[in-house]
Amino acid sequence: SQQGEEDPQALSIQEGENATMNCSYKTSINNLQWYRQNSGRGLVHLILIRSNEREKHSGRLRVTLDTSKKSSSLLITASRAADTASYFCATDDRGSTLGRLYFGRGTQLTVWP
Amino acid sequence: GAVVSQHPSRVICKSGTSVKIECRSLDFQATTMFWYRQFPKQSLMLMATSNEGSKATYEQGVEKDKFLINHASLTLSTLTVTSAHPEDSSFYICSATLGGLADTQYFGPGTRLTVL
Repeated sequence: SQQGEEDPQALSIQEGENATMNCSYKTSINNLQWYRQNSGRGLVHLILIRSNEREKHSGRLRVTLDTSKKSSSLLITASRAADTASYFCATDDRGSTLGRLYFGRGTQLTVWP
Repeated sequence: GAVVSQHPSRVICKSGTSVKIECRSLDFQATTMFWYRQFPKQSLMLMATSNEGSKATYEQGVEKDKFLINHASLTLSTLTVTSAHPEDSSFYICSATLGGLADTQYFGPGTRLTVL
């Protein structure tokens, strides 16, 4: 399977704390993306990092990518209760011409007020 | 911009019936749309890639006669679950891209299918 795997599967923190989620994948990629999903809802795109990038920021989000280890991390700083959701990493397939995405199992983040 | 809608949001049907789910890109033309299914507390599993005007490409293990995909226009793709059974109950999500290999996929809100 090409799917990424997130770690941890569940994370529970207090508001104001930082949340770090990790993702590992198996194949060569063009890019890696992080998505968020509220319970029973669709996915919201958070950030895309390309294979030639090592770090990217967007607001309170910081994503790193280590292609040698085939891993990525998502850091949410100063978390809020509204950040409670499932977070998924998704990778494409460098060998694919169709732009397919393969998702990991996700990390369920709970932020307590 | 880049809004994707799905209809219906929820559907309950009897075993043996067929259900059609629509995926629309509202403010852009989507050359490619993707269909995923998601079981509770699990990841999204890619089912098929839908290109406008051509046959869909199905992932390994997905029955193309069971899950019929039609991409008749640049803004509409449909997924029909034929002869649905309780094991087909799931959350079906579509996505659409503006184009290009490494492009962002914009996801619809999903359709909850329950087969009784």
